[in-house]
Amino acid sequence: GDSVTQMEGPVTLSEEAFLTINCTYTATGYPSLFWYVQYPGEGLQLLLKATKADDKGSNKGFEATYRKETTSFHLEKGSVQVSDSAVYFCALSVSQAGTALIFGKGTTLSVSS
Amino acid sequence: KAGVTQTPRYLIKTRGQQVTLSCSPISGHRSVSWYQQTPGQGLQFLFEYFSETQRNKGNFPGRFSGRQFSNSRSEMNVSTLELGDSALYLCASSPSAGAKGDLHFGNGTRLTVT
Repeated sequence: GDSVTQMEGPVTLSEEAFLTINCTYTATGYPSLFWYVQYPGEGLQLLLKATKADDKGSNKGFEATYRKETTSFHLEKGSVQVSDSAVYFCALSVSQAGTALIFGKGTTLSVSS
Repeated sequence: KAGVTQTPRYLIKTRGQQVTLSCSPISGHRSVSWYQQTPGQGLQFLFEYFSETQRNKGNFPGRFSGRQFSNSRSEMNVSTLELGDSALYLCASSPSAGAKGDLHFGNGTRLTVT
């Protein structure tokens, strides 16, 4: 079945370091891909998305490119801030499944000053 | 615009009891989805409602049920609670069904079953 695999955390970085969180997927059909972020005590927020191959989603300095050939959607940010500390989830949506998303397990990012 | 509102924020129930959780979507949003979040299983899709009809259901036992009202508010019910039902239950709304994952989540209801 469809699934999402993302790198295990926690990821610990110093402020202004480069961030990569790996995400790969398995899906039949042509999924849309997403990154969601969850801050402590809150629900998830959509960070960025890409709906077809080679699309690049970007928001708040974060970027991810939909790579169909490697079935990947890695999240990157050039310079992280303490305020980026959160749990990041990669997810996919298969169009015939309505709004149902399949999530990865999440990666905890901790940024220190 | 007010966000997705879930009530209550915290619940403590005893095994065997039943519980009802409530979700008010963003104004104008007609699709409501529910997810269960646990440390072991992560985020898992429960069901989706659109225009008072269940459109999609995840792989959960029949003890988990839901409904949607004409004003798009939704409730989910869990009967005969088990210890393993302890989780954060998240509700999400979107303007339409199949909105390509552009979901707006509430802050969740933390259910503890003792």
